Amino acid sequence: KAGVTQTPRYLIKTRGQQVTLSCSPISGHRSVSWYQQTPGQGLQFLFEYFSETQRNKGNFPGRFSGRQFSNSRSEMNVSTLELGDSALYLCASRTHLQGHIEAFFGQGTRLTVV
Amino acid sequence: KNEVEQSPQNLTAQEGEFITINCSYSVGISALHWLQQHPGGGIVSLFMLSSGKKKHGRLIATINIQEKHSSLHITASHPRDSAVYICAAGPGDDKIIFGKGTRLHILP
Repeated sequence: KAGVTQTPRYLIKTRGQQVTLSCSPISGHRSVSWYQQTPGQGLQFLFEYFSETQRNKGNFPGRFSGRQFSNSRSEMNVSTLELGDSALYLCASRTHLQGHIEAFFGQGTRLTVV
Repeated sequence: KNEVEQSPQNLTAQEGEFITINCSYSVGISALHWLQQHPGGGIVSLFMLSSGKKKHGRLIATINIQEKHSSLHITASHPRDSAVYICAAGPGDDKIIFGKGTRLHILP
């Protein structure tokens, strides 16, 4: 069974640009969550999608957005990139919502903003 | 104060030593996760537990719901165990709150 796949693995962008990251969940998983990991803040929750609807959102500015497609694949978009957006972006998939369901993580996309 | 606190932040030990990493949380949870992150960045879910104890190979995770405390133990540690170990609490409202992580370095 394939794991959670994130693309691209590495990305370099310049300030002001926008970026789109992709996450393909484990087959059959309908929930996809996104997280940002920075050295200073650790892992922080961005948002969670289930059945193409955003079900939960963390405390991030509106420049961070996402969507989920009918095949459960999810994309995350960051517009008007800032240097502070440089981070590892992780996604995790679960079979469905609820905190006690185990989440499986992807390898992450390392974004560098210059 | 963080809702999920881990200790120690950094730990260096000799190969073969018994390792304990602690996690305390202040939120009500439905489940607690232990994650392992290697230098490449990828995260692996080690355990998810809501009560008692789980064992997988040389790894053991315990949780005390009343005391809001969990521990991750590694027996007969090996250099390949070197990684960041992250405790994450799932409050049940679908968000997961992460600890800052414990950086473990096992010396050969």
